[in-house]
Amino acid sequence: DAGVIQSPRHEVTEMGQEVTLRCKPISGHDYLFWYRQTMMRGLELLIYFNNNVPIDDSGMPEDRFSAKMPNASFSTLKIQPSEPRDSAVYFCASSDRDGYTFGSGTRLTVV
Amino acid sequence: GNSVTQMEGPVTLSEEAFLTINCTYTATGYPSLFWYVQYPGEGLQLLLKATKADDKGSNKGFEATYRKETTSFHLEKGSVQVSDSAVYFCALSPFPYGKLTFGQGTILTVHP
Repeated sequence: DAGVIQSPRHEVTEMGQEVTLRCKPISGHDYLFWYRQTMMRGLELLIYFNNNVPIDDSGMPEDRFSAKMPNASFSTLKIQPSEPRDSAVYFCASSDRDGYTFGSGTRLTVV
Repeated sequence: GNSVTQMEGPVTLSEEAFLTINCTYTATGYPSLFWYVQYPGEGLQLLLKATKADDKGSNKGFEATYRKETTSFHLEKGSVQVSDSAVYFCALSPFPYGKLTFGQGTILTVHP
């Protein structure tokens, strides 16, 4: 298995633009998580899904953030409009009974 | 809700020194406990885990024992190397799995 695949690896965008981050979980994993990592706040859980259904989105910072999981093999995290304070590394992870696997992350810079 | 507390960092050691990074948790039931490591510029990798009380997880010379009586899962290594320099995260999930909750992370720097 290729592991959890995130794209893009790096994204630089201007303030106000829409940003879409993508994640392909490991086949057969029934949980999917989106985390954000910054120096100031560490690792924050934004949202997680179980069998494609959002279970807890209480970590989503505000209405500018949205996440979807239209099927078991794909999820997106969208920021619209983006702001400089959204600059961070965004990680996707998936899990099953045997454990959790993280993607390599997307480094987002909003200028 | 569930929470994880790690010792304040950063931690700076000389090569071959003994390492302890403290981790305590608050959770209902019997959570699974994890240590993850993040090397510079990379994602998180599972270092070790334990799924029930008194279990000892171990990998690459690192060890941690699930202590339910003290709600702790301290990470130890007898002799650190420069290559161990990284950020270490303690985490827990409900049994058997589900939402993964992380501590704040501890930066470890090992000098030659």
